[in-house]
Amino acid sequence: GESVGLHLPTLSVQEGDNSIINCAYSNSASDYFIWYKQESGKGPQFIIDIRSNMDKRQGQRVTVLLNKTVKHLSLQIAATQPGDSAVYFCAEKRGTYKYIFGTGTRLKVLA
Amino acid sequence: SAVISQKPSRDICQRGTSLTIQCQVDSQVTMMFWYRQQPGQSLTLIATANQGSEATYESGFVIDKFPISRPNLTFSTLTVSNMSPEDSSIYLCSAIRDSGYTFGSGTRLTVV
Repeated sequence: GESVGLHLPTLSVQEGDNSIINCAYSNSASDYFIWYKQESGKGPQFIIDIRSNMDKRQGQRVTVLLNKTVKHLSLQIAATQPGDSAVYFCAEKRGTYKYIFGTGTRLKVLA
Repeated sequence: SAVISQKPSRDICQRGTSLTIQCQVDSQVTMMFWYRQQPGQSLTLIATANQGSEATYESGFVIDKFPISRPNLTFSTLTVSNMSPEDSSIYLCSAIRDSGYTFGSGTRLTVV
């Protein structure tokens, strides 16, 4: 079926280092993307979004980069903290209300 | 962001039975969505629930298996019918907000 794929199912990062989570999407016409964070036992939570007319967007300790040429998204987390340990999903907007979610990357922060 | 309450948070059910999951939003929303998240997997949209009309199901999901109700603008239910072990998943409801979805905390269903 339709999918937005992620290359690395698990990423282990030392506390304090930067994390980079990658995502490939399939529809070149998609114009809106979101990164979600899902902690154990919880639903996904919005982290940051980006529209296709942008290449980069920054939030607090997080940056999303969009490369439309190769249909690639990345989420960068600066100074990774133990509280960042979670599964991260990218989501691609399809149509008015539908979102296609990637397979997820589990981020493990090592003390 | 809206707060979405979902219950039960988890359940263990016998095969062949049905479970109804409830989702309550703290503000009125036009559209609500039900997702399934199988163990270690991503989220797959089951259906879109609009108030006052029948739910719209995605490919691979049918009303007989996953009947949905949407009696008002703050509430929806999803029933998982005639359950089998393959239905063991996390079921999530969500609503559209200004930026994407807000999700409930999910219902972890185990079918034995």
